[in-house]
Amino acid sequence: EAGVAQSRRYKIIEKRQSVAFWCNPISGHATLYWYQQILGQGPKLLIQFQNNGVVDDSQLPKDRFSAERLKGVDSTLKIQPAKLEDSAVYLCASSLNQGLNTGELFFGEGSRLTVL
Amino acid sequence: SQKIEQNSEALNIQEGKTATLTCNYTNYSPAYLQWYRQDPGRGPVFLLLIRENEKEKRKERLKVTFDTTLKQSLFHITASQPADSATYLCALGGSSASKIIFGSGTRLSIRP
Repeated sequence: EAGVAQSRRYKIIEKRQSVAFWCNPISGHATLYWYQQILGQGPKLLIQFQNNGVVDDSQLPKDRFSAERLKGVDSTLKIQPAKLEDSAVYLCASSLNQGLNTGELFFGEGSRLTVL
Repeated sequence: SQKIEQNSEALNIQEGKTATLTCNYTNYSPAYLQWYRQDPGRGPVFLLLIRENEKEKRKERLKVTFDTTLKQSLFHITASQPADSATYLCALGGSSASKIIFGSGTRLSIRP
């Protein structure tokens, strides 16, 4: 079974530029998550989709971050304009369902963003 | 606000000993708790899930306990090996509509 696929592992941009990350979840997984992990910290949820609807985006800095999950499959996370503090690893994860039965998250390898 | 604390940033133990990691939480009533392993440069990998009505769960050399009164979970690795060296993250999940939140992790090093 193929895992969660994410776009290029390393991205370096200058502040005020824009960047986009792509994620293809495991086939059949209804829930997709974007997490931000700053070095030395645990993953912080940015946005959670159930199919193509947003379940939680309370910690997404909406003035600069946006995300979409068209057709309930692939997802794109965009940052525009980037700030120095956005330097982090952006992890995409998916799960079969949101219910109490599993909740197990399958993560991609992550995309490390460096903002100069 | 909801808070998850993992006992220490780093834990160093001798090979063969039992490693015990702690996860404490406040202002939250999770329906389940999960433990993940994360190697450098990789995404977290799921290890175990324990539900609020379960006291203990085992998987091979791993054991997890969950005390909802103390608001604490303990994660044990018995007969530890250098290959167990990694960062271990605990995560809490609530109702089916709630998000899964992570602690900051404990970096475990097993020395030969």
